[in-house]
Amino acid sequence: EDKVVQSPLSLVVHEGDTVTLNCSYEVTNFRSLLWYKQEKKAPTFLFMLTSSGIEKKSGRLSSILDKKELSSILNITATQTGDSAIYLCAVRGYGNKLVFGAGTILRVKS
Amino acid sequence: DAGVIQSPRHEVTEMGQEVTLRCKPISGHNSLFWYRQTMMRGLELLIYFNNNVPIDDSGMPEDRFSAKMPNASFSTLKIQPSEPRDSAVYFCASSLSVRSTYEQYFGPGTRLTVT
Repeated sequence: EDKVVQSPLSLVVHEGDTVTLNCSYEVTNFRSLLWYKQEKKAPTFLFMLTSSGIEKKSGRLSSILDKKELSSILNITATQTGDSAIYLCAVRGYGNKLVFGAGTILRVKS
Repeated sequence: DAGVIQSPRHEVTEMGQEVTLRCKPISGHNSLFWYRQTMMRGLELLIYFNNNVPIDDSGMPEDRFSAKMPNASFSTLKIQPSEPRDSAVYFCASSLSVRSTYEQYFGPGTRLTVT
């Protein structure tokens, strides 16, 4: 059965800190790994990674995939209170189905 | 683009009643997904459709749950009869499933409370 594990489960930091969120997976026929941010509503898409070692970047957020280690990290630099959210990692195997991890709850204190 | 549209946004019903959740995917998207999210179990895929055809319904918890997609712009998720343990947020998502483009876009969700 396909599985996605995220760590830590929750994290509290101060504004300006840098955080690293982890995602590891076991999936048959890996196709891609996706990161989503969920505030008090629906998950919003951040990144999709398919190739190992290539960093995707958007502002203060960046992510990289390591296919050898079956994992990915999401980095957020100079955190702001608006970064407080649940960060979800999902993996696509065969077909269009995504398997989601339980998420990491990030709280950024001012 | 209006994004994925779901209705109702909130539903409160009594145990045993039928509940119908509705979804309109993003125009042009050919895949549609129904998810359920709870604190205990996180985000779970219930069923997904490609080109209006159900592909994988292995996540549908029981026969009380059914989903249809009569055309490319509309889908329903029905629970009959509803039970308190069905209380959750139900999300619909859609994607354009062509080569290398599989990111899913989520609707605002329907918060279902069964008393």
